[in-house]
Amino acid sequence: DADVTQTPRNRITKTGKRIMLECSQTKGHDRMYWYRQDPGLGLRLIYYSFDVKDINKGEISDGYSVSRQAQAKFSLSLESAIPNQTALYFCATSGGGETQYFGPGTRLLVL
Amino acid sequence: SQQGEEDPQALSIQEGENATMNCSYKTSINNLQWYRQNSGRGLVHLILIRSNEREKHSGRLRVTLDTSKKSSSLLITASRAADTASYFCATENSGGSNYKLTFGKGTLLTVNP
Repeated sequence: DADVTQTPRNRITKTGKRIMLECSQTKGHDRMYWYRQDPGLGLRLIYYSFDVKDINKGEISDGYSVSRQAQAKFSLSLESAIPNQTALYFCATSGGGETQYFGPGTRLLVL
Repeated sequence: SQQGEEDPQALSIQEGENATMNCSYKTSINNLQWYRQNSGRGLVHLILIRSNEREKHSGRLRVTLDTSKKSSSLLITASRAADTASYFCATENSGGSNYKLTFGKGTLLTVNP
């Protein structure tokens, strides 16, 4: 089984809808991250959490919110989706070191 | 803002040749990491080099770091078609929050059989 899972893997939604992307990990890591990837722009950090009670904004947090429900779960919400939030979204975790472990990604299309 | 910038943006070589990708960054770092991404999939960590290290090896990978020039290079020797992927450098910047990475835009490597 994969150590970092993301659901859904693909999602099509309409402008104005609220959607949630979920991330779960079995690695026992405290640190979790949400990134978005756009063609030609690499990965940009949206939010990160170093433990259940710690939530921090990243580089591009506007329009997004997160919830760290447990050590193993970190959800990303788009309160009112807009077309320029169309992107590939990745969850990542890290534990005792600096290396990050990525999920398979969620491809989101906002119409 | 992007910290690392990879060069070239795209690289196409023949199987068996060596591939070299470069990364430049702007601020002081604790470490620099290289990740690989197969098309549309999650990133996979390849190698980490700390700011006090100058060179590291892992299998067919060789990474160098020049902190005076704020640059790093990733060399893949004896490339294989399976090495075809995008490669990203990522920096953990010093003076800020540890364990937070800033990624570059990536180099797309194509290895032709």
